[in-house]
Amino acid sequence: KAGVTQTPRYLIKTRGQQVTLSCSPISGHRSVSWYQQTPGQGLQFLFEYFSETQRNKGNFPGRFSGRQFSNSRSEMNVSTLELGDSALYLCASSLTSGRVSSYEQYFGPGTRLTVT
Amino acid sequence: AQSVAQPEDQVNVAEGNPLTVKCTYSVSGNPYLFWYVQYPNRGLQFLLKYITGDNLVKGSYGFEAEFNKSQTSFHLKKPSALVSDSALYFCAVRDLWAPRMDSNYQLIWGAGTKLIIKP
Repeated sequence: KAGVTQTPRYLIKTRGQQVTLSCSPISGHRSVSWYQQTPGQGLQFLFEYFSETQRNKGNFPGRFSGRQFSNSRSEMNVSTLELGDSALYLCASSLTSGRVSSYEQYFGPGTRLTVT
Repeated sequence: AQSVAQPEDQVNVAEGNPLTVKCTYSVSGNPYLFWYVQYPNRGLQFLLKYITGDNLVKGSYGFEAEFNKSQTSFHLKKPSALVSDSALYFCAVRDLWAPRMDSNYQLIWGAGTKLIIKP
């Protein structure tokens, strides 16, 4: 099976712009989670989607949003970019079906966002 | 409060020597424990997990981890380190008793330990 793919891999934006990142999960995985990784803060949970519904959202401002499509692909959007948004954004998929979860996550390579 | 601690920011080991990366946790209920590895410029890779059963869990690339309930620890080990094991290692825990414990919102991550294997 193909792994989790994320596009683009690298992105440079200026403050005030907006950005959309894309994630395609492993085939058959319906749960997608997004994380922000920075050297100072480590891994921070952004949001989680299952069957096109946002299940949970982490402690991030409303400038961070996301969605999931019927084919389980997911996008996240950051509006009005700030310098502090520079980070590696990771997407992870997991096998979850109703009450059954395998719990381990499979991560994509990430999108490295640099805000100047 | 629920937490995961990886007490060492960095661990240095000579190639061929055994390695240990430490993880301790604090949760209210029974823990589900995970180890992930991140190689440079890559996403995280699942290594192994403990849910129930044998306290010694074997995972990918020759790694294993031992669940110790009394010490609330889940240390990652490998008998003989390889230079290619050099990477960032993350411990994570879910609390079985947490509301909606199946959500990744409830997954608590350690800060990561950089493992450096010297030839």
